[in-house]
Amino acid sequence: TQLLEQSPQFLSIQEGENLTVYCNSSSVFSSLQWYRQEPGEGPVLLVTVVTGGEVKKLKRLTFQFGDARKDSSLHITAAQPGDTGLYLCAGLTYNNNDMRFGAGTRLTVKP
Amino acid sequence: DAGVIQSPRHEVTEMGQEVTLRCKPISGHNSLFWYRQTMMRGLELLIYFNNNVPIDDSGMPEDRFSAKMPNASFSTLKIQPSEPRDSAVYFCASKKGRTVNSPLHFGNGTRLTVT
Repeated sequence: TQLLEQSPQFLSIQEGENLTVYCNSSSVFSSLQWYRQEPGEGPVLLVTVVTGGEVKKLKRLTFQFGDARKDSSLHITAAQPGDTGLYLCAGLTYNNNDMRFGAGTRLTVKP
Repeated sequence: DAGVIQSPRHEVTEMGQEVTLRCKPISGHNSLFWYRQTMMRGLELLIYFNNNVPIDDSGMPEDRFSAKMPNASFSTLKIQPSEPRDSAVYFCASKKGRTVNSPLHFGNGTRLTVT
């Protein structure tokens, strides 16, 4: 079983639509990061959220960290084909220095 | 700035052969991570090092897998003997410091195919 569960696993939408993807866990994290991965490349960091309830915006992307620091969401407004990719959340636990990843949401935005 | 460098990019080998994957982390980064990615299991942490010392290898699948970090600028992941179920993309990542905001910097991975 995954420490971090991401949903949905796959998402295919039309350009201009809004979407939300989720990252859930029963564990508490000291921080949570979102990465985006394109084919043939490694994941690239988008954002880090640290404080429970924190909301961060990155252009059309809005990231929220749950109050209990167990879950997070990523909302994309007016999706564009360039947003296509695999979105991964990763949690840093209090006891360790390692980052554990969810399985990811594979997003396809059709023009 | 050079990022994390992994070699080879692709490796095709026959079952039973030894495979060695290589990683050069970003200079100045003191933590190094090895991950394996498959469609079925996603991105799995295999092992990580702090200051060249292995900290947690609980993710290493079995004794056929071993990893070393002889110095701050080089690490290897070895599989001996390899099996078809080892086929995956193997990523190396490094980061600086232990703060919660430290990002992981990934290489472009090694795609391993074991036939």
